[in-house]
Amino acid sequence: NAGVTQTPKFQVLKTGQSMTLQCAQDMNHEYMSWYRQDPGMGLRLIHYSVGAGITDQGEVPNGYNVSRSTTEDFPLRLLSAAPSQTSVYFCASSQATADRTTTGELFFGEGSRLTVL
Amino acid sequence: GQNIDQPTEMTATEGAIVQINCTYQTSGFNGLFWYQQHAGEAPTFLSYNVLDGLEEKGRFSSFLSRSKGYSYLLLKELQMKDSASYLCAVMDSNYQLIWGAGTKLIIKP
Repeated sequence: NAGVTQTPKFQVLKTGQSMTLQCAQDMNHEYMSWYRQDPGMGLRLIHYSVGAGITDQGEVPNGYNVSRSTTEDFPLRLLSAAPSQTSVYFCASSQATADRTTTGELFFGEGSRLTVL
Repeated sequence: GQNIDQPTEMTATEGAIVQINCTYQTSGFNGLFWYQQHAGEAPTFLSYNVLDGLEEKGRFSSFLSRSKGYSYLLLKELQMKDSASYLCAVMDSNYQLIWGAGTKLIIKP
């Protein structure tokens, strides 16, 4: 079972460069999300989606874009990388409730460690 | 503001019992979750509490008191593989998860 697959696992960027983190899940989950994890802080939600064609902002959306063209895929785009975006990024998915929110039982990808110089 | 507090680090001995506390102040409450995260790996779901009381799942138990804004994760018969960070998260009134910074648990032989 693949679950949630993220690529790349590691990436080094220069300030101003753009890139896309890929995320795919094979569990037919409606809810997908992107988090960043920084030392000494809790996971922070960047963007999330409750189904194909629907995306919304989380706590820290600035500098990131997402799209959800299919149920399976939820890429995260960094538009112009900044050193403050150095972090570990996690994609997570879950089943959705009747209210189209996460159940809270998230399945995480292995993470993408991004360094911006 | 919304806040989740957990101890930064705890140390326990193999075979012993350890209790990891979590206190929260959030706008509304729709459940509390515990996740385990080994170093360099992804978080994995451990438990979910929405009603007061104790939920037991093998060696792990989770307790919730909504009136006190308090939860704990109890780990029994500690094994070396339990060395990990334990993340507490609360679902608020907007059904968004608010995460604590995690408690790093070190198990000594």
